[in-house]
Amino acid sequence: DAGVIQSPRHEVTEMGQEVTLRCKPISGHDYLFWYRQTMMRGLELLIYFNNNVPIDDSGMPEDRFSAKMPNASFSTLKIQPSEPRDSAVYFCASSSSGGFNNEQFFGPGTRLTVL
Amino acid sequence: AQSVSQHNHHVILSEAASLELGCNYSYGGTVNLFWYVQYPGQHLQLLLKYFSGDPLVKGIKGFEAEFIKSKFSFNLRKPSVQWSDTAEYFCAVNPLNTGGFKTIFGAGTRLFVKA
Repeated sequence: DAGVIQSPRHEVTEMGQEVTLRCKPISGHDYLFWYRQTMMRGLELLIYFNNNVPIDDSGMPEDRFSAKMPNASFSTLKIQPSEPRDSAVYFCASSSSGGFNNEQFFGPGTRLTVL
Repeated sequence: AQSVSQHNHHVILSEAASLELGCNYSYGGTVNLFWYVQYPGQHLQLLLKYFSGDPLVKGIKGFEAEFIKSKFSFNLRKPSVQWSDTAEYFCAVNPLNTGGFKTIFGAGTRLFVKA
């Protein structure tokens, strides 16, 4: 299994531009999570999906952030317009609801820099 | 609000020293507990987990953690660290009243092991 795949690995953009981060979860996993990691705030859960449906988006910082999961094998996190304070590493993770084995498998992350 | 506290943000040890990283959580119900590790430049990966049973759990690379329910703690230990243990360590809690999928992460502890 290839694990959780994220693209791009690095993104540098200018303030005001739209940014789209992509994630492919592990096949068969029915939970998908988006996290943001910064030095100041650590690892924050932004939103998670179950069977492609957003369950909890209370961690999404503001309306500039949106996430979608059109099918079981793909999710996007979009920032529009982007701001320098959005600079962070964004992780996607997936998990299976089988039993209580709630280990999350993380992707390699996307390092976003907004100038 | 539910939270996870990791007592040390930075720890510096010499090789062969013993390690203990503290973790406390503020949730009174049933929880699943995890320690994840993030090596430099890599994504998070599971170190060990506790769901039930023996409160002393053993993970990969000689790590272990002890769940003390009365203290709401899940401290990570290793008797003798190696240079390759240099990484950031995250304690994480799944309160089961969220279905066990909304993982709350601590802020992380950066461990640096001097060769």
